[in-house]
Amino acid sequence: RKEVEQDPGPFNVPEGATVAFNCTYSNSASQSFFWYRQDCRKEPKLLMSVYSSGNEDGRFTAQLNRASQYISLLIRDSKLSDSATYLCVVNPGGGSNYQLIWGAGTKLIIKP
Amino acid sequence: GAVVSQHPSWVICKSGTSVKIECRSLDFQATTMFWYRQFPKQSLMLMATSNEGSKATYEQGVEKDKFLINHASLTLSTLTVTSAHPEDSSFYICSAGVGGSYEQYFGPGTRLTVT
Repeated sequence: RKEVEQDPGPFNVPEGATVAFNCTYSNSASQSFFWYRQDCRKEPKLLMSVYSSGNEDGRFTAQLNRASQYISLLIRDSKLSDSATYLCVVNPGGGSNYQLIWGAGTKLIIKP
Repeated sequence: GAVVSQHPSWVICKSGTSVKIECRSLDFQATTMFWYRQFPKQSLMLMATSNEGSKATYEQGVEKDKFLINHASLTLSTLTVTSAHPEDSSFYICSAGVGGSYEQYFGPGTRLTVT
């Protein structure tokens, strides 16, 4: 089982729709969680951190379920510019403060 | 703030030659720098972690004698791909970590093609 698993997609979604991604992680002791966005042939960019209480940033909402070991990302009113690959990232903790475990990403395509 | 640059952004080299990639933190001091490799349609794979002034820690399966990492200062780390082969063709990305934070700041990446 991969440490961080994501549905690779692609998700083809019409503009304006709401789309949600899930990500599961295997290490129950994981401490920090993030969603990154990566455009084709570009470096990943931090979209948002994921907090235990859930957090929202504009059209984006992230949630964490520690009991089930999954993280979700919800995008409302999707825009064409949201088309990208969304990477779920987990910090496993255990003294490796900086180490990040990356999911393979979910590709999102927003269609006009 | 927290800008990381990489140079070159792309490079084509012949098999058997060596290529050096630079990673610089422009407006902050990076305690730790990371080197990743990403093949098409695959996730980022951590190659090594380097702390300024000490030897890099390589991930399992990454040849330290082939991928030489130098982290001479808090703002510069270099990755040298020695005796490059076509299978080394990939997207190499560096990132920098700031002390006390889990967040990493990424460079724009270097696309290496070995012919």
